Amino acid sequence: AQSVTQLGSHVSVSEGALVLLRCNYSSSVPPYLFWYVQYPNQGLQLLLKYTTGATLVKGINGFEAEFKKSETSFHLTKPSAHMSDAAEYFCAVSGDGGYQKVTFGIGTKLQVIP
Amino acid sequence: IAGITQAPTSQILAAGRRMTLRCTQDMRHNAMYWYRQDLGLGLRLIHYSNTAGTTGKGEVPDGYSVSRANTDDFPLTLASAVPSQTSVYFCASSDSIGGTDTQYFGPGTRLTVL
Repeated sequence: AQSVTQLGSHVSVSEGALVLLRCNYSSSVPPYLFWYVQYPNQGLQLLLKYTTGATLVKGINGFEAEFKKSETSFHLTKPSAHMSDAAEYFCAVSGDGGYQKVTFGIGTKLQVIP
Repeated sequence: IAGITQAPTSQILAAGRRMTLRCTQDMRHNAMYWYRQDLGLGLRLIHYSNTAGTTGKGEVPDGYSVSRANTDDFPLTLASAVPSQTSVYFCASSDSIGGTDTQYFGPGTRLTVL
């Protein structure tokens, strides 16, 4: 069975500082990995995803993530935080399940301090 | 393009009452999903549908039912609501049930069962 662990339910960074949100996964098959973002009172929207090929994936709003198979990780980074990045971020994995289900992490709430 | 619409936006419901949450998509996606989002638990899949006319159970299906009479609509019914069903409910869709496909989420329905 597949699973996702997001380290840190709350992360605070100063505006302009590096954003690093951690995600580790478990899967018995090669995984497909996603990061979704949820702004207050909205549904989730895709930031980026890894399926196959290049392990460094670039997404919207300057975010990127690197798939590291040896570390079973897919951490999300952004070089310089902006106030508008304040949101909740969900890591997700799929590929290991009878109906190709997607398993979401519990989320990390990012606070950006001015 | 509206994407996915959900209704109602929020609802307070007495325990024991029947309630249907509506979900409509205009992207002609084959697959649709219902999730519930609870603090500390992330998103959990309730039911899904591969295509019109078929449905399947997710992680937490008890107390919920769905139907998929056509491509666009995927209503979720609580036959007899209980307080533990207080949650935020998200409908989502994707082009197929395949694990690589991006899921598109509606804005959510906040349900309180008293």
